[in-house]
Amino acid sequence: ETGVTQTPRHLVMGMTNKKSLKCEQHLGHNAMYWYKQSAKKPLELMFVYNFKEQTENNSVPSRFSPECPNSSHLFLHLHTLQPEDSALYLCASSQVKGGNQPQHFGDGTRLSIL
Amino acid sequence: GESVGLHLPTLSVQEGDNSIINCAYSNSASDYFIWYKQESGKGPQFIIDIRSNMDKRQGQRVTVLLNKTVKHLSLQIAATQPGDSAVYFCAENKGQGAQKLVFGQGTRLTINP
Repeated sequence: ETGVTQTPRHLVMGMTNKKSLKCEQHLGHNAMYWYKQSAKKPLELMFVYNFKEQTENNSVPSRFSPECPNSSHLFLHLHTLQPEDSALYLCASSQVKGGNQPQHFGDGTRLSIL
Repeated sequence: GESVGLHLPTLSVQEGDNSIINCAYSNSASDYFIWYKQESGKGPQFIIDIRSNMDKRQGQRVTVLLNKTVKHLSLQIAATQPGDSAVYFCAENKGQGAQKLVFGQGTRLTINP
């Protein structure tokens, strides 16, 4: 148990569907992150939230829309995705105060676009 | 066994032997480095980290070495066990405040009985 919970674990959707991925952290952290992990590619940072404010958008297409209502919850809203968006989407959290602290990851949502 | 950087993505060692996984990073200004282990079906699990003002840090059976001169990071695992089989990623932090981690492609470590 990592303290970061992602739901759903698996998601299959068509290109015209709208769905959302959810992440919840129980670690008291104040920064949250979305990553994309594709086969044979390094983990790619997508978005960073620090105290609920978005501080990084790593050139992510607008069909991915993040939302961070509070420091414990993070969502990724999906709309009109493409087949190349099929991947494992990972959420992480970290404590920002007191210098660098390790990010803790959830087990991800495996997304398949039909 | 010893890997020679990101262009060698697999490493096999005998159970009980020591293993060394190497990583080259890109930014001389990066101030924080971290190693993760990822098992099949799971997210990356934190192993050990090191700040740029250090050159060595030890944990339980693991040691991380940082050579800032050549921008090189390594993870040493002592007395490997079957449970050490996984993909290992290094990452460097390029951000301030909230982190901006850049990950390597990973090395798959297989422990042979």
